[in-house]
Amino acid sequence: DQQVKQNSPSLSVQEGRISILNCDYTNSMFDYFLWYKKYPAEGPTFLISISSIKDKNEDGRFTVFLNKSAKHLSLHIVPSQPGDSAVYFCAAVSDSSYKLIFGSGTRLLVRP
Amino acid sequence: SQTIHQWPATLVQPVGSPLSLECTVEGTSNPNLYWYRQAAGRGLQLLFYSVGIGQISSEVPQNLSASRPQDRQFILSSKKLLLSDSGFYLCAWSRPGEETQYFGPGTRLLVL
Repeated sequence: DQQVKQNSPSLSVQEGRISILNCDYTNSMFDYFLWYKKYPAEGPTFLISISSIKDKNEDGRFTVFLNKSAKHLSLHIVPSQPGDSAVYFCAAVSDSSYKLIFGSGTRLLVRP
Repeated sequence: SQTIHQWPATLVQPVGSPLSLECTVEGTSNPNLYWYRQAAGRGLQLLFYSVGIGQISSEVPQNLSASRPQDRQFILSSKKLLLSDSGFYLCAWSRPGEETQYFGPGTRLLVL
């Protein structure tokens, strides 16, 4: 049973436009959500996170939105750059656990 | 600043051989430590986590084991590798009480 789902395995966006990566979760106990970026043969790099007490968190070109009622979060990258091309994982955790539950990832390609 | 090291970067091992992957963290004390595996085209699966020396929790039953002989050292082992053990192994750390985990560069293991 996948508790965290990234239903789009890939996304292609033109440089300068907005990239929107989506993530859905099923466990209502999750209260903290994270996005990681991963290049091939490297470890994931932490990008941005959001607590369930917020609905938006922004850091430079990256913004994460959380819709608790829909159990949905999204990562917006504006403007997208070719260096953003990577696999993006969302992850969720509940306060009572150390365990990050990861989605299966979305591969983003930003075309020059 | 904190850094996390993993070695080796790449490993090719025959079926039935032993395994030892090492992870060390610098610049922090008493971190929580984690071992993940990413199989080809899949998300990250938590294998083990540790909140202190000698304290290991296993998430997935398998022929792998973990040990934490020192505060900032985490070792992943196997007595006899299986073909299905091939994958990308990632070590991560977090500050006690915090959700964000920071990943090492990973070890690519190929069992032939």
